Amino acid sequence: SQQGEEDPQALSIQEGENATMNCSYKTSINNLQWYRQNSGRGLVHLILIRSNEREKHSGRLRVTLDTSKKSSSLLITASRAADTASYFCASSGGSNYKLTFGKGTLLTVNP
Amino acid sequence: SQTIHQWPATLVQPVGSPLSLECTVEGTSNPNLYWYRQAAGRGLQLLFYSVGIGQISSEVPQNLSASRPQDRQFILSSKKLLLSDSGFYLCACDFGAGRSTDTQYFGPGTRLTVL
Repeated sequence: SQQGEEDPQALSIQEGENATMNCSYKTSINNLQWYRQNSGRGLVHLILIRSNEREKHSGRLRVTLDTSKKSSSLLITASRAADTASYFCASSGGSNYKLTFGKGTLLTVNP
Repeated sequence: SQTIHQWPATLVQPVGSPLSLECTVEGTSNPNLYWYRQAAGRGLQLLFYSVGIGQISSEVPQNLSASRPQDRQFILSSKKLLLSDSGFYLCACDFGAGRSTDTQYFGPGTRLTVL
């Protein structure tokens, strides 16, 4: 089964710096998604990249996908204290009804 | 746009007591519905999903059950809670009618503590 694994597990940076989080998965995918979760809240979808795409941008977010290495990265540029949250990757493949989530990266942006 | 409601927001229950968590969806019809559990500091574990009224698929064996009595209502239940049932329960939906899972939309979650 697919399994997303993010690294690092935790990341602490200063406001204005860039934050990079990585995700690996094990089997072929249709798409890979990144979600954000503020403490004690539900998840919010950030960006989706399809298996035939290599890079995608949305505002300060940049996602890359390397299907040969079964990995993805999420880059947040010019981070803000409000970006403090947990970030999860989720892979979709095989059955259309399931996403497999990783364990997440806890990002702390210090003001 | 769709909105997902969950209640209660927090719940403290004794071991062996019953459980009923409710999820309702507004703004869309015929969604796929999902129940996830998130342990502290961990990722999401898919518990159940439903592609239509009365259609429930279980992902892991457990003492929990799910029901979908209406198109936009999804209920998570237990007859007797265990300590290990503690966690953060999230309901999610995506657009059904055979469309692929592109994006899931999550409710605010229910924090369950079993004592």
